[in-house]
Amino acid sequence: SQKIEQNSEALNIQEGKTATLTCNYTNYSPAYLQWYRQDPGRGPVFLLLIRENEKEKRKERLKVTFDTTLKQSLFHITASQPADSATYLCALPGSASGGSYIPTFGRGTSLIVHP
Amino acid sequence: SQTIHQWPATLVQPVGSPLSLECTVEGTSNPNLYWYRQAAGRGLQLLFYSVGIGQISSEVPQNLSASRPQDRQFILSSKKLLLSDSGFYLCAGTIGGYNSPLHFGNGTRLTVT
Repeated sequence: SQKIEQNSEALNIQEGKTATLTCNYTNYSPAYLQWYRQDPGRGPVFLLLIRENEKEKRKERLKVTFDTTLKQSLFHITASQPADSATYLCALPGSASGGSYIPTFGRGTSLIVHP
Repeated sequence: SQTIHQWPATLVQPVGSPLSLECTVEGTSNPNLYWYRQAAGRGLQLLFYSVGIGQISSEVPQNLSASRPQDRQFILSSKKLLLSDSGFYLCAGTIGGYNSPLHFGNGTRLTVT
């Protein structure tokens, strides 16, 4: 069955460093992958989408890579700030419905940036 | 841009009581709508999705049901809550397109006592 794995242990880093979060998947051949941010007690917020034919995508201090051979995506936050502290979820397209695919989410990795 | 409204933000209900959580969408029409549940330390579990009025698909057999009486309204219900129904319930929507991101509401924290 399809499986998405994200590190369940929180990632602790110092302010100003680069945070790198990993999303691994098995039994998938996704056409794209999405990353979301979730703050405590709030719904996830979409950050970035990367397609299978894109090796890398950037948005401000965020960078996502997608290696379909390794079946892995890396999510980087450069010059991290305490405000970046949150849980980050990766999502892959699951079953199809109504012309789109229902995202299936990993459990997320908590990032804690220390001042 | 679309906005997903959910209420209430928190809810404490006794076992055996009914439940009704409402989700409304603003800023778009004909969205695909979803109900997810997130247990503490767990991932997002898809409960129901809907591609149109009156069209509901259930992903997991539950003590729950969903309805979509209007294009921009999605309701999650239960006739009798169980302790295991406690969790964080999230409504989400997308305007379609195969890779459209989901827009989430801010969720309802349900505690069944």
